[in-house]
Amino acid sequence: GAVVSQHPSRVICKSGTSVKIECRSLDFQATTMFWYRQFPKQSLMLMATSNEGSKATYEQGVEKDKFLINHASLTLSTLTVTSAHPEDSSFYICSAGSGTGVSSNQPQHFGDGTRLSIL
Amino acid sequence: KQEVTQIPAALSVPEGENLVLNCSFTDSAIYNLQWFRQDPGKGLTSLLLIQSSQREQTSGRLNASLDKSSGRSTLYIAASQPGDSATYLCAVTGGSYIPTFGRGTSLIVHP
Repeated sequence: GAVVSQHPSRVICKSGTSVKIECRSLDFQATTMFWYRQFPKQSLMLMATSNEGSKATYEQGVEKDKFLINHASLTLSTLTVTSAHPEDSSFYICSAGSGTGVSSNQPQHFGDGTRLSIL
Repeated sequence: KQEVTQIPAALSVPEGENLVLNCSFTDSAIYNLQWFRQDPGKGLTSLLLIQSSQREQTSGRLNASLDKSSGRSTLYIAASQPGDSATYLCAVTGGSYIPTFGRGTSLIVHP
């Protein structure tokens, strides 16, 4: 079945470091991918919609200069947390739907997530 | 704006019980509803996807129903096992094509 690979699974780094997270669709092309953030015991909050070949669409309250998204190919989207601070520590998850764009009959497939810890 | 609520927030049951997890949503104009499982510190695993035109889906011991008009879905787990312990999330996709998640039901099945 369709698989989404997310890397790295865990990052621990110092405050001020920039961290890049990759999300790959392994056996399908995804023109749209979603990036979510999850706080402990909370639901997934959508951060942005990553669109292949164009700018990402950010949700209200998400700083686009802080969370840089690049979707340069149909199988790869990256999220870069720039100059990370302790309050950016969280669980970040990407998702993608197989087929072209987001179709009503296609399920969303999720990566395994990235646990980001900023010291 | 779509809002998704899951009840109960937490559930602890002995092994072997049949369970019902509830998910409700405020905007019935949806394309599909998806149930996921999340283990601690892990990503999401898709369990069942129900299209808006469908009433239910089954996979093994899992059965998910959808009543779009009332904005409700249930996930039925038959003969629960300790390995079923996890957080169960439902997500609704509507006109924006973006899944909206509930906060999940944390399930513990003890031997």
